[in-house]
Amino acid sequence: EAGVVQSPRYKIIEKKQPVAFWCNPISGHNTLYWYRQNLGQGPELLIRYENEEAVDDSQLPKDRFSAERLKGVDSTLKIQPAELGDSAVYLCASSGGPWEQYFGPGTRLTVT
Amino acid sequence: DQQVKQNSPSLSVQEGRISILNCDYTNSMFDYFLWYKKYPAEGPTFLISISSIKDKNEDGRFTVFLNKSAKHLSLHIVPSQPGDSAVYFCAAFGNEKLTFGTGTRLTIIP
Repeated sequence: EAGVVQSPRYKIIEKKQPVAFWCNPISGHNTLYWYRQNLGQGPELLIRYENEEAVDDSQLPKDRFSAERLKGVDSTLKIQPAELGDSAVYLCASSGGPWEQYFGPGTRLTVT
Repeated sequence: DQQVKQNSPSLSVQEGRISILNCDYTNSMFDYFLWYKKYPAEGPTFLISISSIKDKNEDGRFTVFLNKSAKHLSLHIVPSQPGDSAVYFCAAFGNEKLTFGTGTRLTIIP
């Protein structure tokens, strides 16, 4: 069974530039999550999707972050414009049940 | 407000001995607890979990203990192997979301 796929794996951009991350969840998993992990911290939830619907986006900084999950499968997370403090690893996870989440390898974003 | 805490950022254990990783939480409404393992440049991998109605769950070399009165859980790895060297995250499930601790870096010394 293929795991959660994310791309790109690494991204370096200058501040004020836009950036987008892509995630393909495990086949059949209806729930998809985007997390941000800062250095030395655990992952923190940004947004949770149930199929196409964003059911929890309370931690998503909506002034610069946006996400979509068209057709309830792949998802894209976008930052525009990026700030220095956005440097982190962005993790996508999916689950078929409520608590056992499967994570992708993450995208390491560096904003200079 | 850190609801899930891992107070030891790092731990070194001799190969073959027992590794004990600890986690404390503050929210008594959490109803499931999980441990994840993370290697460099990879995402966290689910390791073992325990329901809040249990006090112990065992899977091979890994055992998780839950003490609800103390709001404390621990992960025991016996015997420790070099491949166990990784960062371990404690996570708690409640209100339809996972809350993670800050992680403990475990190093197994050959």
